[in-house]
Amino acid sequence: DTGVSQNPRHKITKRGQNVTFRCDPISEHNRLYWYRQTLGQGPEFLTYFQNEAQLEKSRLLSDRFSAERPKGSFSTLEIQRTEQGDSAMYLCASSLVHTAFQGGANVLTFGAGSRLTVL
Amino acid sequence: AQTVTQSQPEMSVQEAETVTLSCTYDTSENNYYLFWYKQPPSRQMILVIRQEAYKQQNATENRFSVNFQKAAKSFSLKISDSQLGDTAMYFCAFMKHKVGGYQKVTFGIGTKLQVIP
Repeated sequence: DTGVSQNPRHKITKRGQNVTFRCDPISEHNRLYWYRQTLGQGPEFLTYFQNEAQLEKSRLLSDRFSAERPKGSFSTLEIQRTEQGDSAMYLCASSLVHTAFQGGANVLTFGAGSRLTVL
Repeated sequence: AQTVTQSQPEMSVQEAETVTLSCTYDTSENNYYLFWYKQPPSRQMILVIRQEAYKQQNATENRFSVNFQKAAKSFSLKISDSQLGDTAMYFCAFMKHKVGGYQKVTFGIGTKLQVIP
């Protein structure tokens, strides 16, 4: 396993177009996260999945954004009707969490990110 | 809500020297974790070091060590014998301890470290 893989690495699109990003997590990881990182900022949480279930979404995730994780494997993040404000790096991360485990740090393994530029 | 503050937008250090990156956080929680992540240019973010709040002993990973001051809510990262490969953005992060569920990770805005040959 080579880690968390994200595609495409870069995407340039015109305002109003739809874009889709894909994330392939570490195979044994049961959690998958999407973060957004804008210039000069740290990553901001968007959403996360426990296996195939999307369990939490940030207020940052408007109705133009949709994320899926069919079969609990790879995940896609789609942005519809893109706006210039959507320009950012979209980071995917995964982790293995034993829900019965009392405590323990949830260490995230990040992908290299997908950079979106909306013209 | 938790906040993480990194007050040094950019820093530089000579190769082989020591540098300390600052981080403060605000929380009402007693049990939590703190992390330093490194993001090299155009590369993925990786974990450098982590600290459990209930542990008084400061975490150490080879050339990386932290100074964790729980009462002061301070969590600085010391890099000894700096190497060119240490050039990166460094993010301080906070995670509340929570059994099951989503343990939200809050990141600071980062410190850009440049190691000078």
